[in-house]
Amino acid sequence: EIVLTQSPGTLSLSPGERATLSCRASQSVSSYLAWYQQKPGQAPRLLMYGASSRATAIPDRFSGSGSGTDFTLTISRLEPEDFAVYYCQQYGSSPPAFGQGTKVDI
Amino acid sequence: EVQLLESGGGLVQPGGSLRLSCAASGFTFSSYAMSWVRQAPGMGLEWVSGISGSGFNAYYADSVKGRFTIARDNSKNTLYLEMNSLRAEDTALYYCAFSRAGEVVAYFDYWGQGTLVTASS
Repeated sequence: EIVLTQSPGTLSLSPGERATLSCRASQSVSSYLAWYQQKPGQAPRLLMYGASSRATAIPDRFSGSGSGTDFTLTISRLEPEDFAVYYCQQYGSSPPAFGQGTKVDI
Repeated sequence: EVQLLESGGGLVQPGGSLRLSCAASGFTFSSYAMSWVRQAPGMGLEWVSGISGSGFNAYYADSVKGRFTIARDNSKNTLYLEMNSLRAEDTALYYCAFSRAGEVVAYFDYWGQGTLVTASS
């Protein structure tokens, strides 16, 4: 099974700053990597799939990059509504697996 | 509009059983694989089980294999998760989810709001 490791665990930033979140896979997942945002009391929301494709209605301040084992989610300028927990997920092989999450807070 | 509505959660003693349901609407249910994903309190996401659109193929995480059974009734647009021999570590919010890509092993575009299962004496 593929294990995903996200870093850092917590990212403390201010509105307007750039956020860079990392996700590393224990073996190659090609570009089969997705990112989700989750706010308290809400279901996860798909942000990115295929490592770099934005999901429907996701603003372009969110971008994803990487392939193989190393991936990055970048939020170019943090808006107040972006403070949340972010998870990566691989779907290159079964079973699908999630990282442990990165919390972006103020 | 796609809607996924989970139900059936509750408090159960360790060793007990529960059946979760997920009522789907707003899309052609039988065309899409469906999955259950859980989240323990204050913790991350864990894929639990998935089933093909036809219902013929089912997949499980090692942590639930042999105890949980996934099923679907395409005539009722409903997904199920039969949970037996429940353990304290099964305590979680259980989401049903699916991908427009149609596969079990995929990213998840759509999520329900979850149903809470608590296994405790």
